[in-house]
Amino acid sequence: GAGVSQSPSNKVTEKGKDVELRCDPISGHTALYWYRQSLGQGLEFLIYFQGNSAPDKSGLPSDRFSAERTGGSVSTLTIQRTQQEDSAVYLCASSLAPSTDTQYFGPGTRLTVL
Amino acid sequence: SQQGEEDPQALSIQEGENATMNCSYKTSINNLQWYRQNSGRGLVHLILIRSNEREKHSGRLRVTLDTSKKSSSLLITASRAADTASYFCATDAKGEYGNKLVFGAGTILRVKS
Repeated sequence: GAGVSQSPSNKVTEKGKDVELRCDPISGHTALYWYRQSLGQGLEFLIYFQGNSAPDKSGLPSDRFSAERTGGSVSTLTIQRTQQEDSAVYLCASSLAPSTDTQYFGPGTRLTVL
Repeated sequence: SQQGEEDPQALSIQEGENATMNCSYKTSINNLQWYRQNSGRGLVHLILIRSNEREKHSGRLRVTLDTSKKSSSLLITASRAADTASYFCATDAKGEYGNKLVFGAGTILRVKS
């Protein structure tokens, strides 16, 4: 079956605008994760979904960041009033069960805030 | 602070040589995983080793885990130019971090042909 997909692959926006990033996990995967990776850095955890609920959103850097997941499938990460420091690659991953076993990553969305 | 820390930060070797990357972590774990990333995009899972395992092999990859030292190593034997990538270790942690993996900053491997 298809892997994790993300859209758009690249997004360039102006400072102050809102952006929405989309993740389609592997069908049947109940757990979904969002990470952020700044240039040359490791992955920074943002939020974790189990089904449609987010038991751990501790990594969201500010209240400008929010995420939702509907139907236990697609997830949207929204960044309001974008800032230049939000520029990064945003990666989504899913796993079969709510555990920390193998996570399957999407190709990421590269966000550039001008 | 990050759970996993890799060293070296960067490694450059000739094709055919072996590459060894190390990872240290701080708290007790259920498992440790290694991922590979090409060109700053999606990560690919390489291997998972559970806390009750000491060594695991997959093709040219060999992973060791020493829970007493809270460290792991990834060995790539007979490296190829196509192995050029960033390599990350990721740990789950019991308790504090809940149901998520915590990634280290990664090792950049360059294999010269």
